[in-house]
Amino acid sequence: IAGITQAPTSQILAAGRRMTLRCTQDMRHNAMYWYRQDLGLGLRLIHYSNTAGTTGKGEVPDGYSVSRANTDDFPLTLASAVPSQTSVYFCASSDGVSGANVLTFGAGSRLTVL
Amino acid sequence: GQNIDQPTEMTATEGAIVQINCTYQTSGFNGLFWYQQHAGEAPTFLSYNVLDGLEEKGRFSSFLSRSKGYSYLLLKELQMKDSASYLCAVLGSNYQLIWGAGTKLIIKP
Repeated sequence: IAGITQAPTSQILAAGRRMTLRCTQDMRHNAMYWYRQDLGLGLRLIHYSNTAGTTGKGEVPDGYSVSRANTDDFPLTLASAVPSQTSVYFCASSDGVSGANVLTFGAGSRLTVL
Repeated sequence: GQNIDQPTEMTATEGAIVQINCTYQTSGFNGLFWYQQHAGEAPTFLSYNVLDGLEEKGRFSSFLSRSKGYSYLLLKELQMKDSASYLCAVLGSNYQLIWGAGTKLIIKP
């Protein structure tokens, strides 16, 4: 089934640890995004990539990094996790660069930082 | 600043009609999206409006008034499976989406 795969589904980790959330899509979409979703707040964009080889900062990029070595993969790394990064993280993709296209979301990764 | 406002929670009865409102203040406008998100799941696309007026898609319709900075999502013939959060998002001048916090819709039998 075409779509976006995220891993892990859920993770608990100690503050200060490094963590990479994986995201893979098989739709050959150009653009990919990482969002975090917190209770009472709208989805907030962390980083995005309009095409392989390029990345950009979103609304809340601090403490996170991304890479886009190829079209399919867009991992999100927390270099040194802090409790405020406890959240549900969604990876998404779209087939347009302008962002006016529909987003397809992964199932999410629930991260708890203690 | 940029702001998207939606009611936090609404309750409706199975078989009835419900209207979920969204007001926005953004720097630039390139369209408005509605997404549905069931608890513990990913958001899924419902509708996209870029011109004023009503877009109908089965039981769901979405309305946009750009001059008023206002949209609504209309759900008819409500079913229990419509219990979900409904997210309003505006595509701003930099072509990045600005999201509302979502409206949790509770359907009662």
